[in-house]
Amino acid sequence: AQTVTQSQPEMSVQEAETVTLSCTYDTSESDYYLFWYKQPPSRQMILVIRQEAYKQQNATENRFSVNFQKAAKSFSLKISDSQLGDAAMYFCAYRGESSGDKLTFGTGTRLAVRP
Amino acid sequence: DAGITQSPRHKVTETGTPVTLRCHQTENHRYMYWYRQDPGHGLRLIHYSYGVKDTDKGEVSDGYSVSRSKTEDFLLTLESATSSQTSVYFCAIRDRALNSPLHFGNGTRLTVT
Repeated sequence: AQTVTQSQPEMSVQEAETVTLSCTYDTSESDYYLFWYKQPPSRQMILVIRQEAYKQQNATENRFSVNFQKAAKSFSLKISDSQLGDAAMYFCAYRGESSGDKLTFGTGTRLAVRP
Repeated sequence: DAGITQSPRHKVTETGTPVTLRCHQTENHRYMYWYRQDPGHGLRLIHYSYGVKDTDKGEVSDGYSVSRSKTEDFLLTLESATSSQTSVYFCAIRDRALNSPLHFGNGTRLTVT
């Protein structure tokens, strides 16, 4: 079974600075999809960014970008110019082509933003 | 936002009572999911559905059952609630494309006393 590991339970960043959240996964598949979700205190789960494993180019969405290292099975999220509204739980998630119906989540990283 | 509604938003119940959580979507998506969220565990899949009357178990399905009699509704039932089922429950939906993300409801906080 695939596993997703987020080794940083908590992170902190100064407003306007950059922070990187780490995520690693274990899989034997070559085709899969990776996602980052944000969960603010409102509890809503919000998609931040997604990456297809067959694409070499790292995905970017405004201030959010990923560093996807397929050989290392690493999928980190970089948040640039951090804002107070970025404070949230962040979850990394994996879906493989063979288990295409199921999304497996990591345990999350709680990000605090210091003003 | 994806049209997905969970009810109730909060519920407190006693050990041993049956509980049903409802998920309703207006997107006509094929796939629907139930996850539970607990501190230190992230989100774990309980059950999911890939069509009307087509369901399958996730990693934490013991003590839960589901039903999907029509595309828009996916029900999660705790036949006899236990304190270990105190959690936040999320419903999610997605389109059939593999790269499509899950869209989540707002969650149900269930407390079993």
